[in-house]
Amino acid sequence: NAGVTQTPKFQVLKTGQSMTLQCAQDMNHEYMSWYRQDPGMGLRLIHYSVGAGITDQGEVPNGYNVSRSTTEDFPLRLLSAAPSQTSVYFCASSRGIDEQFFGPGTRLTVL
Amino acid sequence: DAKTTQPTSMDCAEGRAANLPCNHSTISGNEYVYWYRQIHSQGPQYIIHGLKNNETNEMASLIITEDRKSSTLILPHATLRDTAVYYCIDPSGGTSYGKLTFGQGTILTVHP
Repeated sequence: NAGVTQTPKFQVLKTGQSMTLQCAQDMNHEYMSWYRQDPGMGLRLIHYSVGAGITDQGEVPNGYNVSRSTTEDFPLRLLSAAPSQTSVYFCASSRGIDEQFFGPGTRLTVL
Repeated sequence: DAKTTQPTSMDCAEGRAANLPCNHSTISGNEYVYWYRQIHSQGPQYIIHGLKNNETNEMASLIITEDRKSSTLILPHATLRDTAVYYCIDPSGGTSYGKLTFGQGTILTVHP
């Protein structure tokens, strides 16, 4: 199993550009989440999904969209990138109250 | 909102036990306590979780007080590779359904 994979590993955007961060898991997990981590801080939940077709907002959802058309994939869309969205983005998946498996992260810089 | 309280940093000698405390004084009766760690800039790694009984796995032990207001993560024989940020997850944020609420964590440094 590849576990949780994220692409790209690094990305530089200009203010106002849009992009999609990809996340995929091959463990047939129902629950998937997106977090962001700013320097020296803990992770903050952006959006999460409890199954295909079902998503909800986390702590910091503004500026981000998600959709979940399949169990495997949970892409995160930045609608109009801003410097405040410079961060490391982690995707995670789980069966529920069990452990969450995290991807390696995408390091995003917005100029 | 209820929050967990952890020391900002701790040191431990290699080969000794590392005991990392966490206060979660407003935890509700059905909330699990979870511990994760983050090595360097990698994705967080699950360590252990528990409800009210003490738990042990191949990585660590978790001691939860009887009133469930605090817990201690124990790494029995710390190695240099255990140097990481350790997060006690805020249970009031909901620890189920893919939602975790991370605090600042404890920076554990294991030295030779």
